[in-house]
Amino acid sequence: GQQVMQIPQYQHVQEGEDFTTYCNSSTTLSNIQWYKQRPGGHPVFLIQLVKSGEVKKQKRLTFQFGEAKKNSSLHITASQTTDVGTYFCAVPRYGQNFVFGPGTRLSVLP
Amino acid sequence: GAGVSQSPSNKVTEKGKDVELRCDPISGHTALYWYRQSLGQGLEFLIYFQGNSAPDKSGLPSDRFSAERTGGSVSTLTIQRTQQEDSAVYLCASSRGGQTEKLFFGSGTQLSVL
Repeated sequence: GQQVMQIPQYQHVQEGEDFTTYCNSSTTLSNIQWYKQRPGGHPVFLIQLVKSGEVKKQKRLTFQFGEAKKNSSLHITASQTTDVGTYFCAVPRYGQNFVFGPGTRLSVLP
Repeated sequence: GAGVSQSPSNKVTEKGKDVELRCDPISGHTALYWYRQSLGQGLEFLIYFQGNSAPDKSGLPSDRFSAERTGGSVSTLTIQRTQQEDSAVYLCASSRGGQTEKLFFGSGTQLSVL
């Protein structure tokens, strides 16, 4: 079946440092979504990527879809304590169901 | 409604009892999803509905779990004869349907089985 992996599982950074998480799929994807879950909260949609090689930016967050559409990355520039949480990628499966990656838990030390 | 609503927010039950968890999706959203999240873990897919039908029930962990959706709106997830390993946060999400629609999550139901 379809495998979705995320690395790293955990990341601790100092405030001001950059951070990158990677999402890898065993199959070619039509699109990929990213979600953020704050501690004690629920996942919140961040962005969707559809095109091969697509790059989208949201303030300090940069999202990229691989050329082969089998991987994606989320890069945070100059991490802040507000970036703390778990970042999940989500990919469609069997039509409309979504499979979520295991997530990358980010902690930011002030 | 303004967002996805789940009730109860917390449920404590005794092992062996049945529980019902409710999800009220955003009005007009045709797709509804149930996920389970154990402490510090990822999102485990349980089931999703398109309208009132469930094309994919592959994630239900056992026959003690069932779900229904009526009127293309409210959904109920029922767990019979609860076990301690059922303790988790049960998250519901809805969307307009389709592979490119984003999911809106409710705040979840924290289930504790003693």
